[in-house]
Amino acid sequence: AQRVTQPEKLLSVFKGAPVELKCNYSYSGSPELFWYVQYSRQRLQLLLRHISRESIKGFTADLNKGETSFHLKKPFAQEEDSAMYYCALNSGQGAQKLVFGQGTRLTINP
Amino acid sequence: DTAVSQTPKYLVTQMGNDKSIKCEQNLGHDTMYWYKQDSKKFLKIMFSYNNKELIINETVPNRFSPKSPDKAHLNLHINSLELGDSAVYFCASSQGQWTGGEQFFGPGTRLTVL
Repeated sequence: AQRVTQPEKLLSVFKGAPVELKCNYSYSGSPELFWYVQYSRQRLQLLLRHISRESIKGFTADLNKGETSFHLKKPFAQEEDSAMYYCALNSGQGAQKLVFGQGTRLTINP
Repeated sequence: DTAVSQTPKYLVTQMGNDKSIKCEQNLGHDTMYWYKQDSKKFLKIMFSYNNKELIINETVPNRFSPKSPDKAHLNLHINSLELGDSAVYFCASSQGQWTGGEQFFGPGTRLTVL
């Protein structure tokens, strides 16, 4: 069964410190993985996708098929990074069927 | 504003009632979704429509019936509401069934069943 696990419900770091939000997945096929973010009073929105191999707002995420992980990282956290982060897996075949993790609430302390 | 909108934002009702949540998108997308977010923040897909055709129908009680009158609208009707239906319901849309995983979400409708 397809599953996305985010082991940390809450994560708190100081401004300027490195951040890593963990995501592990379970999927028998070739995974398509994403990170979505929800800032306070804003809508859930796409942050980045593994196929793009891009850095958005200083965040990167590398797909590690051996460890079935897709951790989100940023070397120097900023206060505006405080938000709810969701890891998601596309489990559809020909259709977009996103399976979300439980989410991690990231708080950046000044 | 170009976005996905939902009405109402909050819905409080008694057990056994029937209620509807409406969703509209003006992004020109042809695929729309309904998600349910429970009290533990799990966000789970319920339905998806592409060009008014149902393409994803997860294991959802048949008290939930989606209706898509056109590509820009996807409504959710719930019959005989139960306590366990209390949740936040999110509508989303995307262009095509597969667009690299980007879905655009509405603000959510918080349903409370008393």
